Amino acid sequence: GENVEQHPSTLSVQEGDSAVIKCTYSDSASNYFPWYKQELGKGPQLIIDIRSNVGEKKDQRIAVTLNKTAKHFSLHITETQPEDSAVYFCAASRGSGGSNYKLTFGKGTLLTVNP
Amino acid sequence: EAGVAQSPRYKIIEKRQSVAFWCNPISGHATLYWYQQILGQGPKLLIQFQNNGVVDDSQLPKDRFSAERLKGVDSTLKIQPAKLEDSAVYLCASRRLRDAETQYFGPGTRLLVL
Repeated sequence: GENVEQHPSTLSVQEGDSAVIKCTYSDSASNYFPWYKQELGKGPQLIIDIRSNVGEKKDQRIAVTLNKTAKHFSLHITETQPEDSAVYFCAASRGSGGSNYKLTFGKGTLLTVNP
Repeated sequence: EAGVAQSPRYKIIEKRQSVAFWCNPISGHATLYWYQQILGQGPKLLIQFQNNGVVDDSQLPKDRFSAERLKGVDSTLKIQPAKLEDSAVYLCASRRLRDAETQYFGPGTRLLVL
């Protein structure tokens, strides 16, 4: 089955700096890669996703890049703010638009943005 | 639109007792998932429903865990009997069948087994 590795496990940055979280996956058939943000006591919330036919996607201060050949994808957050502090999870899945899309998650990265 | 609802939010039980969790997905979402999230780890899929049918329960410990979605809407996950290692957050997620891949998560039920 799919295996997703995520690094680093903790990341501390100063407000205004950039943060980068990296993930690798093992199943070359995976074609959907979402990133979730989880705040304390809450469920994961989707912040951005990318599909295997796209190399990069950006949404305001958040961007994700995908390298299918190397089987890794990264989350980039620019101009970090204290409210970005949370646990971030990457995930991977494969599916054909039907009922599958079973997500395999990384172990998470605790991001702390210091004011 | 309302999000995924789960109850209870917290539950403390002793080992060998039974417990049940409830989930109401987003209206119109045909696919429902139950995940187990152990402290410090990412969510792990336990079971996936498509309407009221099971699509994937390969990682569900069937000797103690059971789940149902009888009318294809809300769902119940049960543990009987509970073990210490079942202490975790149980997350429910739902997905619209045609709306591509996005899964929407509920707030979770935090279970502590003593």
